[in-house]
Amino acid sequence: DAGVIQSPRHEVTEMGQEVTLRCKPISGHNSLFWYRQTMMRGLELLIYFNNNVPIDDSGMPEDRFSAKMPNASFSTLKIQPSEPRDSAVYFCASSLRGINTEAFFGQGTRLTVV
Amino acid sequence: AQSVSQHNHHVILSEAASLELGCNYSYGGTVNLFWYVQYPGQHLQLLLKYFSGDPLVKGIKGFEAEFIKSKFSFNLRKPSVQWSDTAEYFCAVKPGGGADGLTFGKGTHLIIQP
Repeated sequence: DAGVIQSPRHEVTEMGQEVTLRCKPISGHNSLFWYRQTMMRGLELLIYFNNNVPIDDSGMPEDRFSAKMPNASFSTLKIQPSEPRDSAVYFCASSLRGINTEAFFGQGTRLTVV
Repeated sequence: AQSVSQHNHHVILSEAASLELGCNYSYGGTVNLFWYVQYPGQHLQLLLKYFSGDPLVKGIKGFEAEFIKSKFSFNLRKPSVQWSDTAEYFCAVKPGGGADGLTFGKGTHLIIQP
């Protein structure tokens, strides 16, 4: 298996622009997580899905952030409009749903908003 | 909500020294516990995990961790570190009853000097 695949690996955009991050989970996994990593706040869980349904989005910082999972093999995290404070590394992870399971992380997308 | 505390933000050791990184969590119920490692510029990789059973768990690359329930701790150890162990180490906790996302500690930046 290729693991969790994220694209793009790097994104540089101007403030106010829309940014879309993409994630393909491991085939067969039915839980998907979006995390944000910054120096100040560490790793934060933004939102997660079980069986393509958003379960908990309490970590999404504000309405500018939205996430979708239209099918079991694809998810997007969108920021509109983007701001410089959104600059971070965004990780997607997937796992099998249930107890005693581990999450596998993608390579991350390094977002820079200038 | 659960939380994770890692005691040391930066640790510098010489090669062949012994390592212990502290991790405490706060959560009243059954938990799954994890240590992840992030090498410079890379994604998070699982070092080891505890679900149940023997509280002393062994992971990859000679790492081990001990779950002490009474102390809510899950410290990471390695008897003799190598220069290649230079990385960021994250402790994480997940409630054992479901497929919630991981809650991470702030991380410990470990530098091994040759």
